[in-house]
Amino acid sequence: DTEVTQTPKHLVMGMTNKKSLKCEQHMGHRAMYWYKQKAKKPPELMFVYSYEKLSINESVPSRFSPECPNSSLLNLHLHALQPEDSALYLCASSQGRSYEQYFGPGTRLTVT
Amino acid sequence: GIQVEQSPPDLILQEGANSTLRCNFSDSVNNLQWFHQNPWGQLINLFYIPSGTKQNGRLSATTVATERYSLLYISSSQTTDSGVYFCAAPNNDMRFGAGTRLTVKP
Repeated sequence: DTEVTQTPKHLVMGMTNKKSLKCEQHMGHRAMYWYKQKAKKPPELMFVYSYEKLSINESVPSRFSPECPNSSLLNLHLHALQPEDSALYLCASSQGRSYEQYFGPGTRLTVT
Repeated sequence: GIQVEQSPPDLILQEGANSTLRCNFSDSVNNLQWFHQNPWGQLINLFYIPSGTKQNGRLSATTVATERYSLLYISSSQTTDSGVYFCAAPNNDMRFGAGTRLTVKP
């Protein structure tokens, strides 16, 4: 099974809301990733967790807060977002860093 | 970090035609992936190919690591092949190319 699941599929939130995106994999992978993708652009890496520890934070604003409760789960907590944060948020996992990555279907986020 | 360039940026084909997409990378890569992003945003793994040639049905890919490029071949294209094709190098972190937007017309 090479499935990565993400919830919710769609999310609309106001600039004062707090929400969370969830990602789950059951492939025994030890690296998990969050990406942000704007329309007509490639995905851009936001965070990397390796063995449940944050190893890369690509200068992402603090209104995005990642969490890795265990090796199968990855959350992205959202607070005080801006309209320009509207995008497709993709989660991925891999056996380890530099290994093949598998992506979830994404959460399409709209900030109003 | 590593730079990944894809060409062409856009490609329009008639159904049944063949095509070649190219990916150049600026430095040595441990591995290379090709993805197809469908209209709903799902990134579908096509190939994981650090070197050599692999084939999967109508698709095949070749990576020449010493010359820092990879090619994706699509034969007998179908309308369902439409979408954006990305190559990416997972060297510690994943760097994507800008993509090739393929449209296959019936």
